[in-house]
Amino acid sequence: EPEVTQTPSHQVTQMGQEVILRCVPISNHLYFYWYRQILGQKVEFLVSFYNNEISEKSEIFDDQFSVERPDGSNFTLKIRSTKLEDSAMYFCASSDLQASGGYTFGSGTRLTVV
Amino acid sequence: QKEVEQNSGPLSVPEGAIASLNCTYSDRGSQSFFWYRQYSGKSPELIMSIYSNGDKEDGRFTAQLNKASQYVSLLIRDSQPSDSATYLCAGGYGNNRLAFGKGNQVVVIP
Repeated sequence: EPEVTQTPSHQVTQMGQEVILRCVPISNHLYFYWYRQILGQKVEFLVSFYNNEISEKSEIFDDQFSVERPDGSNFTLKIRSTKLEDSAMYFCASSDLQASGGYTFGSGTRLTVV
Repeated sequence: QKEVEQNSGPLSVPEGAIASLNCTYSDRGSQSFFWYRQYSGKSPELIMSIYSNGDKEDGRFTAQLNKASQYVSLLIRDSQPSDSATYLCAGGYGNNRLAFGKGNQVVVIP
């Protein structure tokens, strides 16, 4: 069964450093997403991406965050200057046009900012 | 105002019993609802989607949607220890964005 792949599985970074989280969506999917889940809290929407541009973003997705699809397979989330409160699980997801939101999540990247 | 709410605490059910989970939502504009299962430390896994009023059954799972009352429920029949997980209710909004509830933990006791 096709799956969404995320790397690395765990990233530890110092406060103020830049991190790039990587995702390979399912190959025929057209919509891509990033969500995060702070430990013990609910899953929160960050951004959706379609046709090489952001289609929607949340209040969390401020100027410190950016997304990019640098080639035909990868979808990345960059955090420019990490803060302690950015520590969370970051989930990538993708869907096809007919998914209507019922999309597939990757296994996640646990980001720890120290 | 929270878009999707799950207010029940942890639910313990004996093996073989029915687990019942509920979720309410605030925005009548949402047309699609989902139940995800999340094991500890893992990513959410889609188990049910429902778009119209009424019941939808898939194996041991039944999702119910009542748009007039703005609630979604999930029944798990013949609960198994492997069903022990956190169940997340989500509503679809905007450009395929999902709003999640905080989840309900289910513990199936052998």
